[in-house]
Amino acid sequence: EVHLVESGGGLVQPGGSLRLSCSVSGFTFSDYWMTWVRQAPGKGLEWVATMKRDGSVEYYGASVKGRFTISRDNAENSLYLELTSVKFEDTAVYFCARDRGYGYVDFWGQGTLVTV
Amino acid sequence: EIVMTQSPDTLSVSLGERVTLSCRASQSVFSNLAWYQQKPGQAPRLLVYGASTRATGIPARFSGTGSGTEFTLTISSLQSEDSALYYCQQYNNWPPLTFGGGTKVEIK
Repeated sequence: EVHLVESGGGLVQPGGSLRLSCSVSGFTFSDYWMTWVRQAPGKGLEWVATMKRDGSVEYYGASVKGRFTISRDNAENSLYLELTSVKFEDTAVYFCARDRGYGYVDFWGQGTLVTV
Repeated sequence: EIVMTQSPDTLSVSLGERVTLSCRASQSVFSNLAWYQQKPGQAPRLLVYGASTRATGIPARFSGTGSGTEFTLTISSLQSEDSALYYCQQYNNWPPLTFGGGTKVEIK
């Protein structure tokens, strides 16, 4: 069974940094692109970043580009999102999700809350 | 950036009735469109991809149609567990991946 579990959320001061982690199981992690999506309180879904299977390609949303960094460790079955220079508007639940490689996601974690 | 617009914002429907949700893209996304369902306090769940292909385990009462710029998600007979937010998302021309603002389906 596919499982994705995010961790690392919490309270961070504006301008501060935080590292989110996503531990996966139930599938061959290195076979899949992976994506982060966030959701501000009471708001809709916003794509944050996507990384290719081998980590060679990464894409970012305009609102986080230059401040957030997506990375992965295929040996550890883990995905990461480094948040730096955080702003009030980065307050959201951050979801880790398995991407089918085309841009849509088929499994999601339960999310981790970041409060700035 | 492709802008996705969903309508209406909220639908109030009786159990057993047919529900139709709309999603419009600011330019053609061909059939590269997905629908997700999100219940309060939960992660989204993939319902449909490729505009019309149901994801694994999704009941047959959910169906997606459309191509180009106009898309529809239909629930043929609303069940109590279908009360949720529904989002469309295009993946034709990315980055960025873009979502619609969502439609809330309520039980009348």
